Amino acid sequence: DSGVTQTPKHLITATGQRVTLRCSPRSGDLSVYWYQQSLDQGLQFLIQYYNGEERAKGNILERFSAQQFPDLHSELNLSSLELGDSALYFCASSAGTGWGEQYFGPGTRLTVT
Amino acid sequence: DAKTTQPTSMDCAEGRAANLPCNHSTISGNEYVYWYRQIHSQGPQYIIHGLKNNETNEMASLIITEDRKSSTLILPHATLRDTAVYYCIVRVWGNNNDMRFGAGTRLTVKP
Repeated sequence: DSGVTQTPKHLITATGQRVTLRCSPRSGDLSVYWYQQSLDQGLQFLIQYYNGEERAKGNILERFSAQQFPDLHSELNLSSLELGDSALYFCASSAGTGWGEQYFGPGTRLTVT
Repeated sequence: DAKTTQPTSMDCAEGRAANLPCNHSTISGNEYVYWYRQIHSQGPQYIIHGLKNNETNEMASLIITEDRKSSTLILPHATLRDTAVYYCIVRVWGNNNDMRFGAGTRLTVKP
């Protein structure tokens, strides 16, 4: 158990819909990272927040957005969903701003039908 | 970030040492070598990292060559639960842009 929690575990929704994935980092960790893992793309970094502020941005689509709240939990919002957005979405956390040691949650499996 | 090259797959007998190589011939002086693994569909798990000295923790040992162009992750006594995809990643500490895990090495531990 990494100490990182993600909800929900599974999500099935239709194209065009909007969903919100939630992540709670390990106690004391200030950074939260979001990753997408699909079969053909491998594990791709989306975005990082550190203590409420956006820190780094990767291959995140404009239809996707994220935020980190004062209690340090984070949400990833996915809108206008397409079939290709079906994937595992992982959240990770780390103590500082650097990439370093990250601790991953169990993931949310999103299926868009 | 320096690119890494890893074998696509490896097998190891249970109880034997698993030695996973990684080539990073273009590594620069301030880049660290990180290893993570991912057991089927679970979240990746941090294993170990190092800059130039060999490192050991409760999970594994990391051997980095003197010229830092390659490294080896060693699992001293592999178990069936070590079957996973192992990722070698080279990154500058604090550089958070464009983080990629690559394809990794699929290690299968066989009884």
